[in-house]
Amino acid sequence: GQNIDQPTEMTATEGAIVQINCTYQTSGFNGLFWYQQHAGEAPTFLSYNVLDGLEEKGRFSSFLSRSKGYSYLLLKELQMKDSASYLCAVRDQTGANNLFFGTGTRLTVIP
Amino acid sequence: EAQVTQNPRYLITVTGKKLTVTCSQNMNHEYMSWYRQDPGLGLRQIYYSMNVEVTDKGDVPEGYKVSRKEKRNFPLILESPSPNQTSLYFCASSLQGAGEKLFFGSGTQLSVL
Repeated sequence: GQNIDQPTEMTATEGAIVQINCTYQTSGFNGLFWYQQHAGEAPTFLSYNVLDGLEEKGRFSSFLSRSKGYSYLLLKELQMKDSASYLCAVRDQTGANNLFFGTGTRLTVIP
Repeated sequence: EAQVTQNPRYLITVTGKKLTVTCSQNMNHEYMSWYRQDPGLGLRQIYYSMNVEVTDKGDVPEGYKVSRKEKRNFPLILESPSPNQTSLYFCASSLQGAGEKLFFGSGTQLSVL
């Protein structure tokens, strides 16, 4: 089966850096996604990691360690519009293209 | 504009009254999927389709039906809705599979009374 853990809520200050962690246990790991979801809206793709290491994309970076079953999403120079939920999703190759989502981390950015 | 279109955005119905939520994508994607999102449970997959006439169950398929007669459309059917199907529903598509970047529809908030 799959077990994906993320903190439920986080608060950070505008302009700061925040790290959102995701740990997972899965029998056939084959990639990890991060999605952003503003309240009342659809999730939108942020990043994808399949190999160990850091992927940087502007203010957002995502890190993966397959041996530790661990990923994090790093948001720099936080802006108020970054207040949203951040969903970690793990692809499991034992099923037919199965993708399993964590419950999400709700980030609140304060002035 | 490339998009996944879901309708309706909001729906209130009563127990047992059949309903359909439509989903259409204009990106020529092979893969389409339905999710429900509930507080504390995250997104859970209901059904998915790898291609026309090919559908399969996700994690929570009970009480739902789908069809994929055309590549662009993937409607979700609730034959006899019950209150425990009150949820926020999302349709999503990707080029070839769930292992690729998913594009989501804007969601359908369903309330079953």
